[in-house]
Amino acid sequence: AQKITQTQPGMFVQEKEAVTLDCTYDTSDPSYGLFWYKQPSSGEMIFLIYQGSYDQQNATEGRYSLNFQKARKSANLVISASQLGDSAMYFCAMREGQGGGADGLTFGKGTHLIIQP
Amino acid sequence: DAGITQSPRHKVTETGTPVTLRCHQTENHRYMYWYRQDPGHGLRLIHYSYGVKDTDKGEVSDGYSVSRSKTEDFLLTLESATSSQTSVYFCAGGSPGEAFFGQGTRLTVV
Repeated sequence: AQKITQTQPGMFVQEKEAVTLDCTYDTSDPSYGLFWYKQPSSGEMIFLIYQGSYDQQNATEGRYSLNFQKARKSANLVISASQLGDSAMYFCAMREGQGGGADGLTFGKGTHLIIQP
Repeated sequence: DAGITQSPRHKVTETGTPVTLRCHQTENHRYMYWYRQDPGHGLRLIHYSYGVKDTDKGEVSDGYSVSRSKTEDFLLTLESATSSQTSVYFCAGGSPGEAFFGQGTRLTVV
């Protein structure tokens, strides 16, 4: 079974609308972290937001927020007031365990977001 | 993240030759990682390091080796390059709540 599932291969959204990118995860470890990355056409991986499994509140970073629903094992990324520059691939990723981060991230296959004017 | 630099950025090499990709960091990250990115597969972990001279295998480690002789540098070596190793390679560094990536290296094996 996939550990990270992103069910939206591609999305088209009108500029200034809010966007929700879906991510579900699968783990039996009580300690884990969830990450979102943006990859524009230039290719770099840009860290957006992080949510720890024990964090009580949903993470927010500027226009980005993470809708963390632990019981549903979902960690959707919400982008408020989308901009043309938000067009990119978006990846959800998970780190499992309390190993201090040693074991690396498991990535989903990504969602290609296109913002239309 | 400007603190993680990969070299070279692009490389074309011939099948059967050894290739070394370099990752240099200035952020004193204890943990470092090498990933490859391929269409339809997303990013997959090749090897990682949890300290100087401490490394371990990831999901797709066959045909690759790594070394970390000092905190700043994490090297990925393709022992005998094959066409299936044509990919974009990313180095990353971080801690439990963060992971920052280098710019990537596009490797083509012909």
